[in-house]
Amino acid sequence: NAGVTQTPKFRVLKTGQSMTLLCAQDMNHEYMYWYRQDPGMGLRLIHYSVGEGTTAKGEVPDGYNVSRLKKQNFLLGLESAAPSQTSVYFCASSSGASSYEQYFGPGTRLTVT
Amino acid sequence: DQQVKQNSPSLSVQEGRISILNCDYTNSMFDYFLWYKKYPAEGPTFLISISSIKDKNEDGRFTVFLNKSAKHLSLHIVPSQPGDSAVYFCAATMQTGANNLFFGTGTRLTVIP
Repeated sequence: NAGVTQTPKFRVLKTGQSMTLLCAQDMNHEYMYWYRQDPGMGLRLIHYSVGEGTTAKGEVPDGYNVSRLKKQNFLLGLESAAPSQTSVYFCASSSGASSYEQYFGPGTRLTVT
Repeated sequence: DQQVKQNSPSLSVQEGRISILNCDYTNSMFDYFLWYKKYPAEGPTFLISISSIKDKNEDGRFTVFLNKSAKHLSLHIVPSQPGDSAVYFCAATMQTGANNLFFGTGTRLTVIP
């Protein structure tokens, strides 16, 4: 059981470039989440999904898009990267509406120059 | 606006003594609270939680206390061990919808051997 995995672990982008972060979970969880963590800010929710084919905006969605085509995968896209998107990105999953505990991946450190 | 606050960025405690980490929240709709522990270069891991219908929850060396009237919760670790050295995040959610978590900014605990 790998739990929640994230690809890649590190990435450096130039301003204006695009990329996709992949999150995969093998726990058959219904809900999945993308967070970013910045110094002094804690974790902030970007987008989330309560099931395959569904997505919704979180606290800081601007500049990001997501897709949940398969239950086990949740993709986070940056169409035109900006230095303000330099951050550590965490994916998480939970089993569903009756569970509040979220399981986190190891994170992706993204630097936009 | 930060709805969950951890006002102490860091805390140092001697091994064997009690560690007390504090958390305050502003949103009275929050009714479920969690503590996460995070080591460097890893994702947060769930530690302990409490529902608003309780004022205390224990799990081994970890106890969480909730004071709803003061909108305050605390995590007690006793006895503290060097392996407890990590960043601790407080999180809150409403038991409806997608169970989105609102995180505090974290407290770095150092347990001195």
